[in-house]
Amino acid sequence: GENVEQHPSTLSVQEGDSAVIKCTYSDSASNYFPWYKQELGKRPQLIIDIRSNVGEKKDQRIAVTLNKTAKHFSLHITETQPEDSAVYFCAASIGPSNTGNQFYFGTGTSLTVIP
Amino acid sequence: DAGVIQSPRHEVTEMGQEVTLRCKPISGHDYLFWYRQTMMRGLELLIYFNNNVPIDDSGMPEDRFSAKMPNASFSTLKIQPSEPRDSAVYFCASSLSGSLDEQYFGPGTRLTVT
Repeated sequence: GENVEQHPSTLSVQEGDSAVIKCTYSDSASNYFPWYKQELGKRPQLIIDIRSNVGEKKDQRIAVTLNKTAKHFSLHITETQPEDSAVYFCAASIGPSNTGNQFYFGTGTSLTVIP
Repeated sequence: DAGVIQSPRHEVTEMGQEVTLRCKPISGHDYLFWYRQTMMRGLELLIYFNNNVPIDDSGMPEDRFSAKMPNASFSTLKIQPSEPRDSAVYFCASSLSGSLDEQYFGPGTRLTVT
């Protein structure tokens, strides 16, 4: 089955700097790659996603890049702010398909933005 | 719509006891998912239902775990007997389709087994 690895597990940056979180996956059939932000004690919130037919997607200060050949995708946050502090985790999804959908998640990166 | 509703929000129980977690999906959503989140393993899909029918339960860790969806508006995840390693946050999510991009997560139930 799919194996999603996420690095780093913790990341501290100064306010205003950029943060980059990387994930790798193993199954070339994976075709959808979302990123979630989870604040302490809260539910995961989808913040950006990318599909396998796209190499890059941007939404204001957040961007995601996908390298299908290398099987890795990354989350980029520019001009970080203290409110960006949270746990971020990635996922790789195979589907939809007649045999059902499969989701695999990274173990998360705890991002701290230092004012 | 109030979103996905889970109860209880916190549960503390002793090892060996039965635990039942409850979920009410968003009205009209045909898919319901149960996840477990721990520090060590992150977020794991346990089981999901389509139109009240379990589709994939390969993520259920062992026979102590069971899930039911008796109707379109209610699902339960039961652990019997519970063990300390079951301590985690359990999320329920629902969606119109089965894909990840349309899932709405509930607030989660934090389970502590002592």
